Amino acid sequence: DAGVIQSPRHEVTEMGQEVTLRCKPISGHNSLFWYRQTMMRGLELLIYFNNNVPIDDSGMPEDRFSAKMPNASFSTLKIQPSEPRDSAVYFCASSLRDNEQFFGPGTRLTVL
Amino acid sequence: AQKVTQAQTEISVVEKEDVTLDCVYETRDTTYYLFWYKQPPSGELVFLIRRNSFDEQNEISGRYSWNFQKSTSSFNFTITASQVVDSAVYFCALSEGNSGGSNYKLTFGKGTLLTVNP
Repeated sequence: DAGVIQSPRHEVTEMGQEVTLRCKPISGHNSLFWYRQTMMRGLELLIYFNNNVPIDDSGMPEDRFSAKMPNASFSTLKIQPSEPRDSAVYFCASSLRDNEQFFGPGTRLTVL
Repeated sequence: AQKVTQAQTEISVVEKEDVTLDCVYETRDTTYYLFWYKQPPSGELVFLIRRNSFDEQNEISGRYSWNFQKSTSSFNFTITASQVVDSAVYFCALSEGNSGGSNYKLTFGKGTLLTVNP
């Protein structure tokens, strides 16, 4: 079975550019989560969706970050404009009702 | 607010030693879930175990075992006869319970870097 799929795996961009990260959850899962991992802050939840509806976006750093889930099999996390402090590994995870979250391989973002 | 504390930032052992990773949590909920994830050097997060707050039975899976004690709000993880391949960062995490099928967010500890030397 395919796990959570994220693309791209690596992204290098310049400050001010728009960045879009993509996630395909495990088929049949009804919740999707976006996390960010940095050395300073560890793993922190940015936003999560339940049945394609955003439930909690209190972790989204600021208005430069936005996330969408247009259907059950696809989600995007967009940063516009990007800044060097956004450099991190961004993980997408999905789960079914029992709370067990399965993580994708992550996208390593570097903003120069 | 939920909180997970992994007091051990780094642990270094020699192969075949037993090692215990500590996890202490805080929550006001009576229903909650505890998790352990492994992050090897390749970077992915691998699910290891989930326990709910009503099940305090210890669990053993091969060389891995988990000790859940509500009285001390701890959920410790022991690796018996450690191997080099166990080298990774291990995260403990907590989520609130739920009803109606909604899933809640995970609150992660800072992680413990385990290095197993040959």
